[in-house]
Amino acid sequence: GAVVSQHPSRVICKSGTSVKIECRSLDFQATTMFWYRQFPKQSLMLMATSNEGSKATYEQGVEKDKFLINHASLTLSTLTVTSAHPEDSSFYICSARDPRGEQFFGPGTRLTVL
Amino acid sequence: KNQVEQSPQSLIILEGKNCTLQCNYTVSPFSNLRWYKQDTGRGPVSLTIMTFSENTKSNGRYTATLDADTKQSSLHITASQLSDSASYICVVRPLGGGGNKLTFGTGTQLKVEL
Repeated sequence: GAVVSQHPSRVICKSGTSVKIECRSLDFQATTMFWYRQFPKQSLMLMATSNEGSKATYEQGVEKDKFLINHASLTLSTLTVTSAHPEDSSFYICSARDPRGEQFFGPGTRLTVL
Repeated sequence: KNQVEQSPQSLIILEGKNCTLQCNYTVSPFSNLRWYKQDTGRGPVSLTIMTFSENTKSNGRYTATLDADTKQSSLHITASQLSDSASYICVVRPLGGGGNKLTFGTGTQLKVEL
């Protein structure tokens, strides 16, 4: 089946620094990728839709200047959390949409901001 | 508003026992309904996928059912194992233009004990 990877799996950073998370579709091309955020014991919440070669579409309430998304190729999307603060600590999950329209999820990235 | 509700919120069963998780949805029309297993600190992994015309789908010890008339789905786990301890999420993919935005249930937290 389709495989999606994320890197890093865990990251700890100091408040005020920026963190980049990569999402890759390993065996298919994805013109569209999605970024989700998940708090403990809650379901996934869509943050933004990443479109290859164009600007990302952000969900209501998500700051586009804080969560920078770049989808430079058909197999890679990156999420950069800028000037991270402790409230940004969360589990970030990406998904990639295959040509049939199905989404496949990455393993997630645990971000801890001290 | 599209919604997916799951019950119970949490469940504890003894190893070897069976259990059934419920999912009620309002998404209509929909392309497919998936059940995912999400281990703590990991991304969701698809267990079963059903289109609106399918009534049941099995994957090993997991059997999902779908009643499109009542807009209900269930996931039955047979002969549970300790490794089944996880969150189980029901996800509905809408049909048409909104097909990119999945609707997630809140999940059922299953714990299998000795």
